[in-house]
Amino acid sequence: NAGVTQTPKFQVLKTGQSMTLQCAQDMNHNSMYWYRQDPGMGLRLIYYSASEGTTDKGEVPNGYNVSRLNKREFSLRLESAAPSQTSVYFCASSVTSYNEQFFGPGTRLTVL
Amino acid sequence: GESVGLHLPTLSVQEGDNSIINCAYSNSASDYFIWYKQESGKGPQFIIDIRSNMDKRQGQRVTVLLNKTVKHLSLQIAATQPGDSAVYFCADLFSGGYNKLIFGAGTRLAVHP
Repeated sequence: NAGVTQTPKFQVLKTGQSMTLQCAQDMNHNSMYWYRQDPGMGLRLIYYSASEGTTDKGEVPNGYNVSRLNKREFSLRLESAAPSQTSVYFCASSVTSYNEQFFGPGTRLTVL
Repeated sequence: GESVGLHLPTLSVQEGDNSIINCAYSNSASDYFIWYKQESGKGPQFIIDIRSNMDKRQGQRVTVLLNKTVKHLSLQIAATQPGDSAVYFCADLFSGGYNKLIFGAGTRLAVHP
């Protein structure tokens, strides 16, 4: 099993550009999550999907949108990127929202 | 508000020694706790978890202790190895609200030969 995969690994955007970060898991997990990690800080939840067909805001949802495309895939979209969104983005999944989460390798995003 | 914090931002140990990483949490209703290890350039990796109905749980070379009275948990690593060098995060989950993990800022463990 590949676990949780994310694309791309690196991305540089200009202010105002849009992009979508892709995430997929092959563990048949119900719940999926998007986090951001800023230097020297822990992970902060952006959005999560407790089950297929549902999405909810986390701590820092402003400037982002998500789509739970199917049980396997959960994408994160930046409609108009800002320098404050420069960060490392991690996708995670879990069997249910009350189980340990498994993380992908991350996407390092720089917004100029 | 909710917070999960760590007492020491950096911990340096000699190879072969035991390591103890501490963590405090603020939500007395939290009932599930997880320790993650994050190596440079990688995503967090699950190490061990503990539910609030337990005080101690052991894994391979790792032990987590939970003290609900003072809202504190610790991760003990026995016979620390260079491969243990990483940032360690504790996270807590309160299942009474929407199930969201709250992560601490992390402790960097540096293992010296």
